[in-house]
Amino acid sequence: AQSVAQPEDQVNVAEGNPLTVKCTYSVSGNPYLFWYVQYPNRGLQFLLKYITGDNLVKGSYGFEAEFNKSQTSFHLKKPSALVSDSALYFCAVKARRGSTLGRLYFGRGTQLTVWP
Amino acid sequence: NAGVTQTPKFRVLKTGQSMTLLCAQDMNHEYMYWYRQDPGMGLRLIHYSVGEGTTAKGEVPDGYNVSRLKKQNFLLGLESAAPSQTSVYFCASSYFRDSMNTEAFFGQGTRLTVV
Repeated sequence: AQSVAQPEDQVNVAEGNPLTVKCTYSVSGNPYLFWYVQYPNRGLQFLLKYITGDNLVKGSYGFEAEFNKSQTSFHLKKPSALVSDSALYFCAVKARRGSTLGRLYFGRGTQLTVWP
Repeated sequence: NAGVTQTPKFRVLKTGQSMTLLCAQDMNHEYMYWYRQDPGMGLRLIHYSVGEGTTAKGEVPDGYNVSRLKKQNFLLGLESAAPSQTSVYFCASSYFRDSMNTEAFFGQGTRLTVV
């Protein structure tokens, strides 16, 4: 079955420290990869994406993500966390071909808390 | 520049009532999606559409129907609401798969309570 896994429900880091939010996927056919952020009582906001090319992609608010094809992972990173980064983060994968073309799969989300 | 607009934003239904949630996008996107978000469950796909006049089932389609008669609109219907359908519903849209601009844009959500 095709799926997206975010193995950590919560990640807690101190402000100024680096952060990593993990994501692995099981979707065939070289899918598109995304990260979204959700603040309380809001919709999801796009952070960054991997389409093709360089395995390290940079996005909004200083976030970046590293694509690893052999491990089917797309981990979200930031060198120095801010308290304002505290939010719910979702990894998403979009099928490029096949019977599920266009289908957009989400992980369960990881609650990031950055403490002062 | 409206983006993705969902109506209504809040609704309370009695068990057995029906309703339709409307999603409208003004970005000429081919793909549209309906998700529900429940605590600890992330976003679960209800139905999606890859173009006008086409729809497909997602992970949790039971109890819901959809229609995409116009490219810019994607309707989600609940024929006979149940308390298990209490949730926050999100609509999203995106461009076709081969576009570099393929990320999805989300509406602000509809909070539905079924009593």
